[in-house]
Amino acid sequence: DVVMTQSPLSLPVTLGQPASISCRSSQSLVHSDGNTYLNWFQQRPGQSPRRLIYKVSNRDSGVPDRFSGSGSGTDFTLKISRVEAEDVGVYYCMQGTHWPRTFGQGTRVEIK
Amino acid sequence: EVQLLESGGGLVQPGGSLRLSCAASGFTFSSYSMSWVRQAPGRGLEWVSSITSSGDGTFYADSVKGRFTVSRDNSKNTLYLQMNSLRAEDTAIYYCLRGLSWPDYWGQGTLVTVSS
Repeated sequence: DVVMTQSPLSLPVTLGQPASISCRSSQSLVHSDGNTYLNWFQQRPGQSPRRLIYKVSNRDSGVPDRFSGSGSGTDFTLKISRVEAEDVGVYYCMQGTHWPRTFGQGTRVEIK
Repeated sequence: EVQLLESGGGLVQPGGSLRLSCAASGFTFSSYSMSWVRQAPGRGLEWVSSITSSGDGTFYADSVKGRFTVSRDNSKNTLYLQMNSLRAEDTAIYYCLRGLSWPDYWGQGTLVTVSS
């Protein structure tokens, strides 16, 4: 199975400051069709997860542009340019290239 | 508006069975692959199973293979997860998702508790 390793697991951030979450996969996530199926989800307290970013860097409709995704191969990053109070929650990366699909452990973002 | 509404969760004894349903609306259900993901209390996300749009392809996590069966009824816009031989470690919120490589929409989840 492809292991997805996120860091850090806990991220205290000051409001208005940037935040960055790393996600590394144990195998390349480049699919035979040429796409890289690396996705990012946000789970706010008490809510279902919501997709923020798909295929590495494509931001979903309605997602603020302070969120951005980057990376390639086995190394990926989610960045929040300026953290706001509504960004508190747990962030997960997920690979959709290999079976079984796998998630990272989650990174808890909190306000300092 | 895309909506996914899970149902069928509840309390079941170890070794028992349960069938989850996911009623889809707001999109052409028969055109999309679908997935189930679960989350144990206070834990992270675990992919459980996926099914192709026509139902001819199914995929399972090793932890549920041989015990769970995913299916769909495109005439009813409904996804199912038949869960047999349930174990305490199957206790979780089960979410229905649209898609299997870059899933976009999630339901609100249904809680399954396996306990005597």
